[in-house]
Amino acid sequence: NAGVTQTPKFQVLKTGQSMTLQCAQDMNHEYMSWYRQDPGMGLRLIHYSVGAGITDQGEVPNGYNVSRSTTEDFPLRLLSAAPSQTSVYFCASSRGTSYEQYFGPGTRLTVT
Amino acid sequence: KNEVEQSPQNLTAQEGEFITINCSYSVGISALHWLQQHPGGGIVSLFMLSSGKKKHGRLIATINIQEKHSSLHITASHPRDSAVYICAVARNYGGSQGNLIFGKGTKLSVKP
Repeated sequence: NAGVTQTPKFQVLKTGQSMTLQCAQDMNHEYMSWYRQDPGMGLRLIHYSVGAGITDQGEVPNGYNVSRSTTEDFPLRLLSAAPSQTSVYFCASSRGTSYEQYFGPGTRLTVT
Repeated sequence: KNEVEQSPQNLTAQEGEFITINCSYSVGISALHWLQQHPGGGIVSLFMLSSGKKKHGRLIATINIQEKHSSLHITASHPRDSAVYICAVARNYGGSQGNLIFGKGTKLSVKP
């Protein structure tokens, strides 16, 4: 099993550009989530999904969109990048919040 | 006040010392997670607890549901234990799926 994969590993964007961070898992997990990690802030939930076709907002959803058309994939879209979105982004999957969590390797995004 | 509080924020120890990291939470939970993140690295799951105590090698995690408190112990610490340790709780929504709430992490440095 590849586990949770994220692409790209690094990305530099200019303000106003859009892009999609990819996340995929091959463990047939229903629960998938996106977090951003900033110094001194810990992990903050952006969006999560409890199954294909079902998504919900987390703590910091503004400026981000998600969709879940398949169990395997959970892409995160930045609509119009802003310097405040400079961060490290982690995707995670699991059978649910009361089960072991599996994290992807992260994407380091810089917005100039 | 944050719903999940970790202490200490930073911890420096000498190799071989016994280490304790604490996590307190203020919400009803269905599970508590301990995660580890090495510098510049990804996030891995160490333990998932809903009651009692778990042990894996030199790591021990305990939880007291009544006191809303969990501890992570490292026996015979080693420089390779240097990492950020993160506590996260799965809020209890009475059976429906919610999301995880994270502490800000404890940065541990073990000196040889």
